[in-house]
Amino acid sequence: DIVMTQSPDSLAVSLGERATVNCKSSQSVFYSSNNKNYLAWYQQKPGQPPKLLIYWASTRESGVPDRFSGSGSGTDFTLTISSLQAEDVAVYYCQQYYSTPKTFGQGTKVDIK
Amino acid sequence: QVQLQQWGAGLLKPSETLSLTCAVSGGSVSSSNYYWGWIRQPPGKGLEWLGEINQYGLTNYNPSLKSRVTMSVDTSKNHFSLNLSSVTAADTAVYYCARVVVPFGEAYYFDYWGQGALVAVSS
Repeated sequence: DIVMTQSPDSLAVSLGERATVNCKSSQSVFYSSNNKNYLAWYQQKPGQPPKLLIYWASTRESGVPDRFSGSGSGTDFTLTISSLQAEDVAVYYCQQYYSTPKTFGQGTKVDIK
Repeated sequence: QVQLQQWGAGLLKPSETLSLTCAVSGGSVSSSNYYWGWIRQPPGKGLEWLGEINQYGLTNYNPSLKSRVTMSVDTSKNHFSLNLSSVTAADTAVYYCARVVVPFGEAYYFDYWGQGALVAVSS
């Protein structure tokens, strides 16, 4: 199984400041034949299901604010919230879909400082 | 707008079988562009993928649960279902159904999720 490890486990950022969540996979999730990284990011608020933010490591889902961006390749990925808003308080998960079983990171809790 | 509405028994005893159903509205389980999946989340913990199924009944299961998991799809009712046999307290979790995007013929990420159903296993 591909193990997904996120860092940090939690972070607190001031409103309007940048928040950065890291995700590292135990093996590459880059598929050279189509030049794509098989990685997604989700946001989960308390009492709600996860919401898809980013897929293919950097493609923003329709309707997701452009302050959310994804980057990275191979085994190292980053979710960046460029200017944290109050509604962004949530737990963020990365997920690989390169191989079965699909696996998620343990989650990173983002809060307001 | 696609919506997934799920239901099933919320309290089980050890060794019983968990059964959940997820009804799809605003879309069709018969679409070749999607699979239909299940993910669970123990209280206060992270997400675990259980498996997925397509309109033909082709399944992918998490090997860690493969012997206990059965998924099915009913295209006439536009819903899909999860059965998990021989449950224990370790199966206590919120269970989510989700639509799985299939851009290149294989199931990848989850773009719509059900609201979740808490299933508790206790004697």
